[in-house]
Amino acid sequence: KAGVTQTPRYLIKTRGQQVTLSCSPISGHRSVSWYQQTPGQGLQFLFEYFSETQRNKGNFPGRFSGRQFSNSRSEMNVSTLELGDSALYLCASSSPGSNSYEQYFGPGTRLTVT
Amino acid sequence: AQKITQTQPGMFVQEKEAVTLDCTYDTSDPSYGLFWYKQPSSGEMIFLIYQGSYDQQNATEGRYSLNFQKARKSANLVISASQLGDSAMYFCAMREDNTNAGKSTFGDGTTLTVKP
Repeated sequence: KAGVTQTPRYLIKTRGQQVTLSCSPISGHRSVSWYQQTPGQGLQFLFEYFSETQRNKGNFPGRFSGRQFSNSRSEMNVSTLELGDSALYLCASSSPGSNSYEQYFGPGTRLTVT
Repeated sequence: AQKITQTQPGMFVQEKEAVTLDCTYDTSDPSYGLFWYKQPSSGEMIFLIYQGSYDQQNATEGRYSLNFQKARKSANLVISASQLGDSAMYFCAMREDNTNAGKSTFGDGTTLTVKP
């Protein structure tokens, strides 16, 4: 079974631009969550999508948005990029059929904003 | 609000010895799950072990075991027979009840270095 894939793996953007990151979950997983990881703030939850609906949301400004498609693939978008948005963005999928709901993470997209 | 505390920024262990990574948590929800993840330098988070709040026995997965002390709100990870490949960052995480299955709170992590 293929794991969680994220594209692109690396990205360099300029302040003020926008960016879209993509995540394909493990086949059969309907929940996709996004996390931001930075040295200063650690791992912070962005949002979770389940069956194309946002089910949970973290404390991030409205510049951060996401969506999920009918095939469970998810995208997150960051508009008007700031230097502080430089981070590793991790996507995780999980299956409601799992007893523990453990999340399986992708390799991440490393975003650098200059 | 839920909170995870990992008080050991860095730990060293000799190869083949056991090591315990500490984790304490805070929640008011009676139903929750506790997880440990390993993050090598490549960046990918690898699920290691899970403990449910209602589980009576401590979870074990191969060389990993979770020392769950509910009254003390601690969920320490024990790695037995350490290997060089165990060198990585380790994160403790918690989710509150199944409706928040996709939303986990993570600790700051512990960097484990295994010495040959």
